[in-house]
Amino acid sequence: ILNVEQSPQSLHVQEGDSTNFTCSFPSSNFYALHWYRWETAKSPEALFVMTLNGDEKKKGRISATLNTKEGYSYLYIKGSQPEDSATYLCASSAYNNNDMRFGAGTRLTVKP
Amino acid sequence: DTAVSQTPKYLVTQMGNDKSIKCEQNLGHDTMYWYKQDSKKFLKIMFSYNNKELIINETVPNRFSPKSPDKAHLNLHINSLELGDSAVYFCASSHRGTNYGYTFGSGTRLTVV
Repeated sequence: ILNVEQSPQSLHVQEGDSTNFTCSFPSSNFYALHWYRWETAKSPEALFVMTLNGDEKKKGRISATLNTKEGYSYLYIKGSQPEDSATYLCASSAYNNNDMRFGAGTRLTVKP
Repeated sequence: DTAVSQTPKYLVTQMGNDKSIKCEQNLGHDTMYWYKQDSKKFLKIMFSYNNKELIINETVPNRFSPKSPDKAHLNLHINSLELGDSAVYFCASSHRGTNYGYTFGSGTRLTVV
């Protein structure tokens, strides 16, 4: 994988459903992975920064895992709420590189 | 208190004009960035400055020139605007190193007519 890829592109779930989506990134020379939450008409807001293989981070109902050997990260949302509706972006960087490469995002819509 | 502020929020201008977008952060970060959101909604890095020094300069036309008068400001000047420059431009800041999360500005929607 040369670029950061996110799937699915969009996702519609019912309120109360749990959901997850994937970020795939180049595993060679991996340094850091970021997840951002981006609401319409606002700016991306940092959720997690992860660097170690096997890292697992949690913020409220949202959690993320990291596998640097195979180059993927999962973002989980437990009991989705309408206010979780947003685009979730991930970005990765390599050693000796100050550049975060962003994926296109997963657009989540939570229906009440 | 806005952490990363960009001005203007919207900018409509004619082809051939020169325009600037300003960015300021009050977070004490030492690194600032300009990203362009392309037509497919990807955020693409344009420039990065650390303590007023250019550290990333991606392949962008040299009509785009960043200026960092101090580590709290990173302005973007664009000469001879073209239709294809229409996009949303985001400024961001962080501590140095990609193991720190970025704080983004609210974006500047540039429309070239």
